[in-house]
Amino acid sequence: SQKIEQNSEALNIQEGKTATLTCNYTNYSPAYLQWYRQDPGRGPVFLLLIRENEKEKRKERLKVTFDTTLKQSLFHITASQPADSATYLCGLGSGNTGKLIFGQGTTLQVKP
Amino acid sequence: EAGVVQSPRYKIIEKKQPVAFWCNPISGHNTLYWYLQNLGQGPELLIRYENEEAVDDSQLPKDRFSAERLKGVDSTLKIQPAELGDSAVYLCATSEGRAGEQFFGPGTRLTVL
Repeated sequence: SQKIEQNSEALNIQEGKTATLTCNYTNYSPAYLQWYRQDPGRGPVFLLLIRENEKEKRKERLKVTFDTTLKQSLFHITASQPADSATYLCGLGSGNTGKLIFGQGTTLQVKP
Repeated sequence: EAGVVQSPRYKIIEKKQPVAFWCNPISGHNTLYWYLQNLGQGPELLIRYENEEAVDDSQLPKDRFSAERLKGVDSTLKIQPAELGDSAVYLCATSEGRAGEQFFGPGTRLTVL
């Protein structure tokens, strides 16, 4: 069955460092992958989308890579700030159905 | 521009009672999703609408859950009767097309006692 795994442990890093979150998947061939941020008590907020034919996407301090051979996406936040502390979700989509299958999320804590 | 609106934000009911959640999408968004999110987990799709048509309801427990999207705008998700295991956050999301960015509402936190 399809399986998506994100860092199971919370990630604690120092302000100014680069945070790297992983999203691994098995038994799935996504056409695209989306990353969302979720704060406590709120709905997820879209950050980036990367398609299967793209290796890397950037937006300000965010960078996403997508390796379909390794079946893995990496999400990087450079020069991290305490305000980046949140849970980050990866969602895998197939074809053009719009259906996303989400991982369980990784909680990031950036300490000042 | 207003985002996705959901109500109520919180609901506490006794088991076997019915409950309904309401979602108002962003204007012009044709695709609407209902997700269930348990604590410490990612959202799980329950049903997806394109306009007023339910195009994917394979994950909806149809014995107790129902949903509708009249006129392709607002949507209602209902549970009858509720069970203890239904306690979760119910999220509504909408998008302009099928495979793009999804905009989520704040969710309804349901507690079944």
